[in-house]
Amino acid sequence: QKEVEQNSGPLSVPEGAIASLNCTYSDRGSQSFFWYRQYSGKSPELIMFIYSNGDKEDGRFTAQLNKASQYVSLLIRDSQPSDSATYLCAVNTDTGRRALTFGSGTRLQVQP
Amino acid sequence: DAGVIQSPRHEVTEMGQEVTLRCKPISGHDYLFWYRQTMMRGLELLIYFNNNVPIDDSGMPEDRFSAKMPNASFSTLKIQPSEPRDSAVYFCSSSWTGTDQPQHFGDGTRLSIL
Repeated sequence: QKEVEQNSGPLSVPEGAIASLNCTYSDRGSQSFFWYRQYSGKSPELIMFIYSNGDKEDGRFTAQLNKASQYVSLLIRDSQPSDSATYLCAVNTDTGRRALTFGSGTRLQVQP
Repeated sequence: DAGVIQSPRHEVTEMGQEVTLRCKPISGHDYLFWYRQTMMRGLELLIYFNNNVPIDDSGMPEDRFSAKMPNASFSTLKIQPSEPRDSAVYFCSSSWTGTDQPQHFGDGTRLSIL
């Protein structure tokens, strides 16, 4: 079992819709959770981070964390074609390497 | 403020040659990370430093890979000798106080070993 799992996609949504990106993780001791956006040929760019159960909102982005279910998600409201990218979920494990483990990413396509 | 700066942006070299990648972290960040990204394996952590000291190098694939951080503003990742399977994009990132803090990535070095 991979430590951090994401559906590779592509996830295709129409412009203006809500895009929902999901991530599950295996280490129950995980404490910190991050979403990065990566455009093709570019470096990962931090979008959101969340440490506590519940929702955290920043503009059109909402991160949701459920530690009991070992699940973290990213919602993008009013999706724009410029949101088309690969979204990487990253989890900081509290054991072992004590460093970020990245999922393989979900490719999002927003159709105009 | 300047972000994480990596050089070179692109490197093409022949198998067996030594390759040196360079990184300047964000000023004031105590942690520096080196990653490798490939289509097959995704983004993998190779090694990270705290206050210039290597903390975990368990991701370094082989003895051919080495990394140093001689001071707070400079780190190198060296591959000697290089092999075609080392071809990847290598990213450096830094964070302020810990591995649980947001990391900021450089633009990466796209390495091609012929």
